[in-house]
Amino acid sequence: QKEVEQNSGPLSVPEGAIASLNCTYSDRGSQSFFWYRQYSGKSPELIMSIYSNGDKEDGRFTAQLNKASQYVSLLIRDSQPSDSATYLCAVTFYNQGGKLIFGQGTELSVKP
Amino acid sequence: DTGVSQDPRHKITKRGQNVTFRCDPISEHNRLYWYRQTLGQGPEFLTYFQNEAQLEKSRLLSDRFSAERPKGSFSTLEIQRTEQGDSAMYLCASSLILTGGLNTEAFFGQGTRLTVV
Repeated sequence: QKEVEQNSGPLSVPEGAIASLNCTYSDRGSQSFFWYRQYSGKSPELIMSIYSNGDKEDGRFTAQLNKASQYVSLLIRDSQPSDSATYLCAVTFYNQGGKLIFGQGTELSVKP
Repeated sequence: DTGVSQDPRHKITKRGQNVTFRCDPISEHNRLYWYRQTLGQGPEFLTYFQNEAQLEKSRLLSDRFSAERPKGSFSTLEIQRTEQGDSAMYLCASSLILTGGLNTEAFFGQGTRLTVV
């Protein structure tokens, strides 16, 4: 079983809608949670970090963490075509030296 | 520019040749990571350093791969006797480990795209 899992998509939403991206992880001392955006051919760009249960908002982005259910999600409000990219979920685990473990990414397509 | 810097951005090499990539992390960061990414996959962990010490190497890292961070600043990743299966994007990231082990946000460089022909 993979430690961090995401649906590969593609997830298609109309412009202006809310995009919801989900990530589940194996609970082996999960520590920190990150969302990265990656445009085709480019390197990952950090969008959000979240360290404790609940919601964290930054502009149009909201990260939600539920450690009891072992999932972390990213909501993108008022989606724009420029949000079209692959979104990577990454988790660090206490017993793995704090290195980032990535999911395979979810491709998001925002249609005008 | 105080972000993570990688060089070169692109490398095309013939099978069997050796290649070396360089990564300059954010200056105050004590952690440096190397990842490899192929099309449609998330980044796969290769190795990481805390200051100059290499703390872990993935099983993906065969004996043809070696990484160094001699003075705890920049790092190099060398691949000897390259194979076509080594073709991928090689990513470097850096972060700060705080007292108590909490890993702060990791930032990536632009990556080095390797093509082995």
